[in-house]
Amino acid sequence: EAGVAQSPRYKIIEKRQSVAFWCNPISGHATLYWYQQILGQGPKLLIQFQNNGVVDDSQLPKDRFSAERLKGVDSTLKIQPAKLEDSAVYLCASSQQGYNQPQHFGDGTRLSIL
Amino acid sequence: DQQVKQNSPSLSVQEGRISILNCDYTNSMFDYFLWYKKYPAEGPTFLISISSIKDKNEDGRFTVFLNKSAKHLSLHIVPSQPGDSAVYFCAASVTGGKLIFGQGTTLQVKP
Repeated sequence: EAGVAQSPRYKIIEKRQSVAFWCNPISGHATLYWYQQILGQGPKLLIQFQNNGVVDDSQLPKDRFSAERLKGVDSTLKIQPAKLEDSAVYLCASSQQGYNQPQHFGDGTRLSIL
Repeated sequence: DQQVKQNSPSLSVQEGRISILNCDYTNSMFDYFLWYKKYPAEGPTFLISISSIKDKNEDGRFTVFLNKSAKHLSLHIVPSQPGDSAVYFCAASVTGGKLIFGQGTTLQVKP
């Protein structure tokens, strides 16, 4: 089966600019996650969707980050305006519906803020 | 507040020997634990998981041990192979809750 697809792979922007990331989960996976991974740390959950509804966005900086999952499939994560501390790898993951289903990750987007 | 900790940033092992990666957690409500492997420029890949009702789960060369009283889990790789060289993350969750990841341990398996 095809894995989680993410684009772009790399993005370089200046601070205060905006940026958007796209994710296509594994077919049939109802749950979609966006993570932020800062260098030297483990992934940190930003937002979790179940179909097209938000389950957990408690760690999403809502003043600058937004995410949507229209039609319960693809998802986009946007940062506007970007800050230097947003430099990180943004990972998308998906899992089947149900408890304790392993999450499958895409290869991520590496974001550099100048 | 680091709920999941991997205190060893790196580990070096000879090919064919056992690799033991350790992970400690503080939240006694965690009941589901996973290990992920990550190669450079790739996303984490699911390796093995264990529920808190078990103390051991095995999958080929990979075995995860869970010690609930010590709030400790470990991943054993036997025998270690050069292709196992990667960053290993442990993660934990309360059923229905979000995954909390450790900082990762870089494993190097020398030929």
